[in-house]
Amino acid sequence: GENVEQHPSTLSVQEGDSAVIKCTYSDSASNYFPWYKQELGKRPQLIIDIRSNVGEKKDQRIAVTLNKTAKHFSLHITETQPEDSAVYFCAALTAAGNKLTFGGGTRVLVKP
Amino acid sequence: DTAVSQTPKYLVTQMGNDKSIKCEQNLGHDTMYWYKQDSKKFLKIMFSYNNKELIINETVPNRFSPKSPDKAHLNLHINSLELGDSAVYFCASSQGTSGRPEQYFGPGTRLTVT
Repeated sequence: GENVEQHPSTLSVQEGDSAVIKCTYSDSASNYFPWYKQELGKRPQLIIDIRSNVGEKKDQRIAVTLNKTAKHFSLHITETQPEDSAVYFCAALTAAGNKLTFGGGTRVLVKP
Repeated sequence: DTAVSQTPKYLVTQMGNDKSIKCEQNLGHDTMYWYKQDSKKFLKIMFSYNNKELIINETVPNRFSPKSPDKAHLNLHINSLELGDSAVYFCASSQGTSGRPEQYFGPGTRLTVT
């Protein structure tokens, strides 16, 4: 089955700096890669996603890149703000069964 | 206007009891899921239903039984609760059959077994 590895597990950045989270996946048939943000005590919220036919997608301060050949994808947050502090999860969707496999999460702390 | 809702939000119970968690979505989605998030925040799928039919059943103990009375509802019944069942359980939904894979999560149910 699919296996998703996420790094780093914790990330501390100064406000205004950039944050990068990286994920690798094992199943070359996976075709959809969402990113979720989970604040303390809240639900995971979809913040951006990318499909396998696209190499990069951007939405304001966040962007995601996908390298299908290397089977890895990354989340980039620019000009970080304290409200970006949360746990971020990457995930990969297998082509069959609509099954999302999540990475282990990255706890991001933005220091003012 | 809540999209995916769950009840209860908190559930505290003793070992050996039986409990249920309910989930409802008003997004018109055809696929619903149950996820378990453990104390280390790891999110793992348990079950998935598409139009009331079970399509994903991960290696979950038989004490866990999902039920989908219609495509807007997915409930989770847990028999003989154990300490290790303590976790946050999230319901989610997606329009899985129309090329729209985005999954939206409910607020979660924090289950504590004592």
